[in-house]
Amino acid sequence: DVKVTQSSRYLVKRTGEKVFLECVQDMDHENMFWYRQDPGLGLRLIYFSYDVKMKEKGDIPEGYSVSREKKERFSLILESASTNQTSMYLCASSYLREGPEETQYFGPGTRLLVL
Amino acid sequence: AQTVTQSQPEMSVQEAETVTLSCTYDTSESDYYLFWYKQPPSRQMILVIRQEAYKQQNATENRFSVNFQKAAKSFSLKISDSQLGDAAMYFCAYRRSGGYQKVTFGTGTKLQVIP
Repeated sequence: DVKVTQSSRYLVKRTGEKVFLECVQDMDHENMFWYRQDPGLGLRLIYFSYDVKMKEKGDIPEGYSVSREKKERFSLILESASTNQTSMYLCASSYLREGPEETQYFGPGTRLLVL
Repeated sequence: AQTVTQSQPEMSVQEAETVTLSCTYDTSESDYYLFWYKQPPSRQMILVIRQEAYKQQNATENRFSVNFQKAAKSFSLKISDSQLGDAAMYFCAYRRSGGYQKVTFGTGTKLQVIP
């Protein structure tokens, strides 16, 4: 079974704090993704990475950065947390190649509250 | 830019009945993939079903099937013999063919199953 784990299920931070969200996958997937999920807005892509040290902006990268130093680990960084970054954050991973095996595997999510 | 629209924020179905969730998308591409993902309450998101645009045959997975209308850019999900465990948020998603492509998600449909 593919496992995608996220470092925290719930997190409470103060405005202005630097926040790290960690994601680890154990399937040697090339692709990794960070989404935020908000009611009525669905999943919106923040950043994705298709290789170590590679990153691509998604649809809403402002206020976020990412780091991928190892293939299995993809970190999302909020440089200075703001209240509008209160959300559910989902990490996902997938193989780079297309085909019947193609699917995104999701982590359990981190619910972040910024006060 | 590709967009995915789910016009039904919430739906309900009686146990053992059939329900259809709607999804439309907008793209100028001819080769792409479509997905339905399921997110049960407080549980991880999982892939339900996948369709390649070049295949005319509709995908099926046990009680789940799709009605893929390429010309109309429509991709609905039919759940037969609904079970209590089908209660979840369902997300329609689109991915363009080719490497390094992101997935675009709809806003989701919350399905309630009534015993």
